[in-house]
Amino acid sequence: SQQGEEDPQALSIQEGENATMNCSYKTSINNLQWYRQNSGRGLVHLILIRSNEREKHSGRLRVTLDTSKKSSSLLITASRAADTASYFCATDVTGGGNKLTFGTGTQLKVEL
Amino acid sequence: GAVVSQHPSRVICKSGTSVKIECRSLDFQATTMFWYRQFPKQSLMLMATSNEGSKATYEQGVEKDKFLINHASLTLSTLTVTSAHPEDSSFYICCASGAGGRVETQYFGPGTRLLVL
Repeated sequence: SQQGEEDPQALSIQEGENATMNCSYKTSINNLQWYRQNSGRGLVHLILIRSNEREKHSGRLRVTLDTSKKSSSLLITASRAADTASYFCATDVTGGGNKLTFGTGTQLKVEL
Repeated sequence: GAVVSQHPSRVICKSGTSVKIECRSLDFQATTMFWYRQFPKQSLMLMATSNEGSKATYEQGVEKDKFLINHASLTLSTLTVTSAHPEDSSFYICCASGAGGRVETQYFGPGTRLLVL
């Protein structure tokens, strides 16, 4: 079953703008991860944030985690056309045996 | 990071045939392998979890007799789609876990695209 719901389902922005994607989940987690997937390709791991962390940065990526609201956000700053892809959050649920449960995904399109 | 490979990357087969997909962890010992399926424009759905030397645990709604999983070694897991039908056409992705003793780390293979005619 889907643990996470992501919004928006689709997002279209201009190059240089920021893109924000949100993920909500339902149960207690060990960590939450964000992945990127280009059309027809495999997953690329972007960032992992643990349940005791609130914010994490990696290059142009900023991830926040609010465990009280069971939500996370991914911010991509100064977007580029190459950022066009689908983005998924995935939760490592407490007691889940290390398996990841994926959200519904956000399709990001960055236009020149 | 660790490397996980899948073979084949793409396969086309006739309805009724069986297809075997291999997932190898190339530079670490994967104590657990997860198999996911992704239909077009959808998210990844976990099919089953296998621990080395044990029987796989299947998610609800996944037929264990249709999707045979073998995890005989710490570096190889296989998924066999038996008597494949067009509705089994999908992107199958394995994920290896247990690398380097860090339980929270999962490494995904590049995926296998199956098309059943």
